[in-house]
Amino acid sequence: SQTIHQWPATLVQPVGSPLSLECTVEGTSNPNLYWYRQAAGRGLQLLFYSVGIGQISSEVPQNLSASRPQDRQFILSSKKLLLSDSGFYLCAWSSGGPYGYTFGSGTRLTVV
Amino acid sequence: AQKVTQAQTEISVVEKEDVTLDCVYETRDTTYYLFWYKQPPSGELVFLIRRNSFDEQNEISGRYSWNFQKSTSSFNFTITASQVVDSAVYFCALSEARGGRRALTFGSGTRLQVQP
Repeated sequence: SQTIHQWPATLVQPVGSPLSLECTVEGTSNPNLYWYRQAAGRGLQLLFYSVGIGQISSEVPQNLSASRPQDRQFILSSKKLLLSDSGFYLCAWSSGGPYGYTFGSGTRLTVV
Repeated sequence: AQKVTQAQTEISVVEKEDVTLDCVYETRDTTYYLFWYKQPPSGELVFLIRRNSFDEQNEISGRYSWNFQKSTSSFNFTITASQVVDSAVYFCALSEARGGRRALTFGSGTRLQVQP
């Protein structure tokens, strides 16, 4: 069966520090991968999506970047965190069709 | 561009009351998919239902039911005889049916509080 792993679950980082959040998927190949962010009390905003290795599309200009070094690995990064980067980050995968999206358990990031 | 509107920011009901969460969407696609997700306090997103744009049949699953009306671009969600465990944030979402992106566009969510 397919599973998605996302870590860490919580993270407190100082302003200006780097960030690396990792997401891996098991039990499927060539998934579409997504990073979403949920600011406190807000909806989910799509940050990045990827349809294949090395293929990254950015939805909004921001302080973050994403990479997909392997088929089932999706990484969210920042060189220098801002206070506004705080939020709940969710990774998701789909088979490429709009038939179902599976979400990871999320990372709660607090930038202090 | 796609858009999903959940006008109800927060709803509070007493246990055993029925409650309806509204969802209105906008899309230029003729083929699309609509979803509802539940987000409990732990944060993970729990899939509830997917409906394609050609299937306007209402669906019932236990205490949950969904009313899809294409004519009004609405996909409302009703919980019958609400329980405290239903307390969560509920998101309505829309997905493109074609193209490589196929990402979900979410509404801003409705926080449901069920009081004992």
